[in-house]
Amino acid sequence: DAGVIQSPRHEVTEMGQEVTLRCKPISGHNSLFWYRQTMMRGLELLIYFNNNVPIDDSGMPEDRFSAKMPNASFSTLKIQPSEPRDSAVYFCASTLGGGDGYTFGSGTRLTVV
Amino acid sequence: QKEVEQDPGPLSVPEGAIVSLNCTYSNSAFQYFMWYRQYSRKGPELLMYTYSSGNKEDGRFTAQVDKSSKYISLFIRDSQPSDSATYLCASFTNTGGFKTIFGAGTRLFVKA
Repeated sequence: DAGVIQSPRHEVTEMGQEVTLRCKPISGHNSLFWYRQTMMRGLELLIYFNNNVPIDDSGMPEDRFSAKMPNASFSTLKIQPSEPRDSAVYFCASTLGGGDGYTFGSGTRLTVV
Repeated sequence: QKEVEQDPGPLSVPEGAIVSLNCTYSNSAFQYFMWYRQYSRKGPELLMYTYSSGNKEDGRFTAQVDKSSKYISLFIRDSQPSDSATYLCASFTNTGGFKTIFGAGTRLFVKA
């Protein structure tokens, strides 16, 4: 099992550009989560999906952020336009639920200059 | 007030020491309590979980939950330099779609 796969690992972009982060969850996991981690705010839940359906997007900071899950094996998080304050590590995680906990990907380190 | 509060540390201990990491939470509906370990530049990984109150032991690690005081603890016995990492406590409700709320994480350094 390759685990949760995120791409790219690192992204440096200029302010105003569109950024797309990608995630492939573990096969069979029916819940997928996008988190953002910064030193100041820790791990913040942005949005999560159950069976490809967005359930709670209350953590998405602004309309500049959007997420999709077109099928059970792929999800994207898009920021358009990006701003320097979006710089963070973005994690994707998936789970079967309950005591299994989450399996996190290795994260995408985003730097907006 | 955050739903899960955790002292960010850092906490520095000598090798072999017993480490105590703690969190408090405010949501009485939380049922699952977890500890994740995160090494530098890696994603968090599940270390232990407990359901409701009580203790759970796994090797050198013991997780403890006291729902009456809303207190979560992780004890590490005979700490090793390889235990140096950030430890995050986390909680969720069974009815919340497994939406997990994380503490800020405590950075632990174990000195050889």
